Amino acid sequence: DAKTTQPNSMESNEEEPVHLPCNHSTISGTDYIHWYRQLPSQGPEYVIHGLTSNVNNRMASLAIAEDRKSSTLILHRATLRDAAVYYCILFGGATNKLIFGTGTLLAVQP
Amino acid sequence: SAVISQKPSRDICQRGTSLTIQCQVDSQVTMMFWYRQQPGQSLTLIATANQGSEATYESGFVIDKFPISRPNLTFSTLTVSNMSPEDSSIYLCSVPTGGTEAFFGQGTRLTVV
Repeated sequence: DAKTTQPNSMESNEEEPVHLPCNHSTISGTDYIHWYRQLPSQGPEYVIHGLTSNVNNRMASLAIAEDRKSSTLILHRATLRDAAVYYCILFGGATNKLIFGTGTLLAVQP
Repeated sequence: SAVISQKPSRDICQRGTSLTIQCQVDSQVTMMFWYRQQPGQSLTLIATANQGSEATYESGFVIDKFPISRPNLTFSTLTVSNMSPEDSSIYLCSVPTGGTEAFFGQGTRLTVV
C-alpha cells in the first residue's frame, strides 16, 4: 500500500486558514487522495477526496500538486470544532480498503 | 450515506474472556471492515468481512483471535477472543460507498482488566 507522510501536529488560531500538508511520493496513477478526520471520541469522518484536480466542498478544499506527489488540505476558517486528527490516505482500487497512517493532530486556539 | 450502529459502545472485560461486537448498517453493503485503534494510535485494519465467504484478515491478525461473522448484507460481528490487557482498544466497523467516502461506526471502547 502506498504510504503518506504528514506532520505529527499543527496549531492554528480560530477563524484563520489552515493548510495541512501530505506527501505521497509513491502514489500510483490510479490512487485517489482521501482525507478523513477523527474528532475526539468519535469514528473517522470523510472530509474530501481528489484524483488530479483541486477539489472544493462545504468542509474544505484539496489542493493537489501537479506531479501528484503531495497535496494540501485547506480549512478556510478554522473553528474550535475542527480540532481533530486529520488523515491523508491513498485509496486505489478494487479492495476499497482504507489504510490509515499516523495523521496530523490539529489544535485550534481561540 | 450509511448509518452504522455499533454495540456495545464500551465494555470492561476480564482477561481470558471473549467479547462479541455487533455492527448494524441501515443499508445493504457488500463489504464491511473492522479496525482496531489502540490508545493514542491510528486505526489498524483487522479484516474485511464479506457476505457469503470467510473474512479476509490483514497481516498480524488471525481468525482464532478475531472471528468474524457476516450473516447478511447489513450486519457483522467481531469477536475478540481470550482477551488480554493488550486487547484494550477501540474497535470500529466501517462500510465503503462505491469508492468515494467510507462511513464509520462510533466504535466500541474495550478495556480488559
